Amino acid sequence: DIQMTQSPSSLSASVGDRVTITCRASQSVSSFLNWYQQKPGRSPKLLIFATSNVHNGVPSRFSGSGSGTDFTLTISSLQPEDFATYYCQQTYTTPPTFGPGTKVDIK
Amino acid sequence: QVQLQESGPGLVKPSETLSLTCTVSGDSINEYYWTWIRQPAGKGLEWIGRIFTTGSTDSNPSLKSRVTISVDTSKKMFSLRLSSVTAADTAVYYCARQRTSTSSLDPWGQGTLVTISS
Repeated sequence: DIQMTQSPSSLSASVGDRVTITCRASQSVSSFLNWYQQKPGRSPKLLIFATSNVHNGVPSRFSGSGSGTDFTLTISSLQPEDFATYYCQQTYTTPPTFGPGTKVDIK
Repeated sequence: QVQLQESGPGLVKPSETLSLTCTVSGDSINEYYWTWIRQPAGKGLEWIGRIFTTGSTDSNPSLKSRVTISVDTSKKMFSLRLSSVTAADTAVYYCARQRTSTSSLDPWGQGTLVTISS
């Protein structure tokens, strides 16, 4: 299985901050990398698919980049509703695997 | 828009079989992969397996011998059976639709907590 890691595991930020989360794969996943947002007690929601494509209805402050083994999710200006846990997922090989998550909370 | 809803017992005894169903509404069930994922309390996400509407399945090797996924396209439902459960199988179980082009998961059901306990 491809192992996914994320850094940091948690971060504290203020409204308006630029936030960057990194995801690394144990081997190349090409561009088959997705990002999800999960709020407490809720199911995950798709934010970004295929590395850099913003899902319908997701605000444009979210963006993704990378290729191969190293990927980033950026929130350009953190909003109150963005405090959540973010997961990356590779779908290059079966089984698809998720990163351990990055929790973004309020400073 | 498409909505998914998990259903099934919230409590299962150790060594028994966990059975869940996901009902699809608002769109066709055909031509998609339908997926099961689980999340133990306070932990990350684990992909369990998926089924295409032809009946073709894939399962996580870590669970493969215990997992059965089936689909009933006429009822717009797909199901998960996980046999020989232990406390380690206690988790919130989610169903989700997998987009065939990108393999991303959207939407997800709301999730259902299954506790393994005697």
